Amino acid sequence: GPKVLQIPSHQIIDMGQMVTLNCDPVSNHLYFYWYKQILGQQMEFLVNFYNGKVMEKSKLFKDQFSVERPDGSYFTLKIQPTALEDSAVYFCASSTAGGAAEQFFGPGTRLTVL
Amino acid sequence: DAKTTQPDSMESTEGETVHLPCSHATISGNEYIYWYRQVPLQGPEYVTHGLQQNTTNSMAFLAIASDRKSSTLILPHVSLRDAAVYHCILRVAGAEGADRLTFGKGTQLIIQP
Repeated sequence: GPKVLQIPSHQIIDMGQMVTLNCDPVSNHLYFYWYKQILGQQMEFLVNFYNGKVMEKSKLFKDQFSVERPDGSYFTLKIQPTALEDSAVYFCASSTAGGAAEQFFGPGTRLTVL
Repeated sequence: DAKTTQPDSMESTEGETVHLPCSHATISGNEYIYWYRQVPLQGPEYVTHGLQQNTTNSMAFLAIASDRKSSTLILPHVSLRDAAVYHCILRVAGAEGADRLTFGKGTQLIIQP
C-alpha cells in the first residue's frame, strides 16, 4: 500500500538545540499531519496542514513548533528550541482529502532530548 | 468528536475469530466509525471504517448496531501478526480542512500461539 517515510528514525539532541523532523508523504496526498506519542501513552494530535497553511493545531503545538512543506518536498516539523518534554515519537501522516479520509502513517521518528 | 469506550485488553488464540467491541452511545448522525491498529515501534495502520451498514475487507468485518451506539470489529482466524492495540475512533464526514484522529488507549489484543 501507500507508504509514508520519515527521516531520521531516531534523533538525539541536547536541550535548547533546534531539530527538524522530515516526512515524505504519499505522492498524491494533499493533507498532512503530525502526532506525538510519549512512551507508554496514547497518541496525541499536534497539527494538520493543507494548501501551504496550518488548518488546525492542538494545545501541544507550542510556539517553539513550526511546520512547512516548501515546494512540495518534505513536510517538516521544526522544534526550536527543544525542551526535555519534547522527547517522544513523532508520527507523520498524510491523506488525499480532509474530513474523514483515511490517514496513512509513517513509522515515526524517535526524538530524545538530553 | 463523540467518545468511544473499549476494553483495555482481550486475549485469544491463533486461528480463532476475535470480536473487539466498541461503545459510542453519543455518536452523531454524520460520524463515521473508524478502526486503526498499532504495533510497537510502528505508526497506526488503517483497518476499516463504516457509517451505518456492516462492512468487510481483507482485514476485518465491521458490525454496526442498528442504532449505531456500538460496533464490533471481527477479526477472522487471527495470527500472531494481529497482536496490536486496536483503536475505535469517530470522525465527522465531509468536514473540510480541520481534521484529526483522537486516539484513546484502545484495546490491547493479545494472541497466544
